[in-house]
Amino acid sequence: EVQLVESGGGLVQPGGSLRLSCAVSEFTFSDHYMDWVRQAPGKGLEWVGRTRNKAHSYTTEYAASVKGRFTISRDDSKNSLHLQMNSLKSEDTAVYYCARVGAADAFDIWGQGTMVTVSS
Amino acid sequence: DIQMTQSPSSVSASVGDRVTMTCRASQGISSWLAWYQQKPGKAPKLLIYGASNLQSGVPSRFSGSGSGTDYTLTIRRLQPEDFATYYCQQANSFPPTFGGGTKVEIK
Repeated sequence: EVQLVESGGGLVQPGGSLRLSCAVSEFTFSDHYMDWVRQAPGKGLEWVGRTRNKAHSYTTEYAASVKGRFTISRDDSKNSLHLQMNSLKSEDTAVYYCARVGAADAFDIWGQGTMVTVSS
Repeated sequence: DIQMTQSPSSVSASVGDRVTMTCRASQGISSWLAWYQQKPGKAPKLLIYGASNLQSGVPSRFSGSGSGTDYTLTIRRLQPEDFATYYCQQANSFPPTFGGGTKVEIK
């Protein structure tokens, strides 16, 4: 079964750092673009960023709200995706999902999400 | 950024009803539009991509249409498992943006 499993969420103080991971199984991870999407409690969905595949030089894109603070990386040899989050703010509190980019750039596979809470 | 506006924000319907919701983009998105269903505490699930293409495994009672700036998701013969929040998302240009959601509630 195609599956994405996030980990690494938790409680962190403002200004702190956290690294999320997304483990992938049952598809050719290296072929795909992968994104992070977040959802603040009781709110809608917000795109966070993207990493493209090797064929597109692993280039990345970020939402303006996280650019310069968050970094997306991937390890194709380990079928894993990461989100390094630095200088965290209270407004970064959300469930973070990793998602596979599929046809027509839609997100066709999602992980179950991991909760990040930024609070003192 | 392209703004996505969904309407209505909520709709009350009964099992067996036909439900239609709309998504309007602040500029043309050339059918680069997806629809997702999300139930409480769960990840979103892709229903429609490219405005009108049904994702594999999604029941045929779901359909999408539209062009330019205006898009529609229709659910024919609403089933109990369809009560959820539905989001549209444009993939025409960066950053990808989502609508605010339409919640389908039980009448």
